[in-house]
Amino acid sequence: QQQVKQSPQSLIVQKGGISIINCAYENTAFDYFPWYQQFPGKGPALLIAIRPDVSEKKEGRFTISFNKSAKQFSLHIMDSQPGDSATYFCAASIRYNQGGKLIFGQGTELSVKP
Amino acid sequence: NAGVTQTPKFRVLKTGQSMTLLCAQDMNHEYMYWYRQDPGMGLRLIHYSVGEGTTAKGEVPDGYNVSRLKKQNFLLGLESAAPSQTSVYFCASSYSGEISTDTQYFGPGTRLTVL
Repeated sequence: QQQVKQSPQSLIVQKGGISIINCAYENTAFDYFPWYQQFPGKGPALLIAIRPDVSEKKEGRFTISFNKSAKQFSLHIMDSQPGDSATYFCAASIRYNQGGKLIFGQGTELSVKP
Repeated sequence: NAGVTQTPKFRVLKTGQSMTLLCAQDMNHEYMYWYRQDPGMGLRLIHYSVGEGTTAKGEVPDGYNVSRLKKQNFLLGLESAAPSQTSVYFCASSYSGEISTDTQYFGPGTRLTVL
């Protein structure tokens, strides 16, 4: 019940296209939903995040859509660029002991072709 | 300001050998974390620390030990390495444990292979 399921595992998009990555969860105790971007040989870095009382959050070309009733959220990358090629992880946060714990999805390897 | 650093970057061990991974942060963060990243499984929390001298178990703590003797350092130990511990290990730190307000900053990772 603490899983976050992410799809697709890999995604190839043409430059200028829209990249869409989906995540689903079961545990209604999750209270924060961040997305991380990871370039090869680097650690993950926070990209964008949303709280469950908001249905959409946009930062530049990156948008999170959140559907609380369906327990699903997705990352949309508009006008995808080759520099966006990376692995993307969705995550969900839950209260845990003296703080919060992140549960990560399985990751999506995005390749944007020029 | 180096952020979060990890040493070594790569390591190959034989089954049964021991080693220690070092994580250092220069951001005066209270919380530090160790994750492992495996293909198709995302990142999983091994152990974490809420301050100097404290440690706590995460999701997958078996086979690992940790110590936080200094606020800026968090050590991950493998006493008797097993092939199942082949993974990429990431350290992270944050000012507090409140994920919605305090970002976790990740190090560059250590790629460990156990033969």
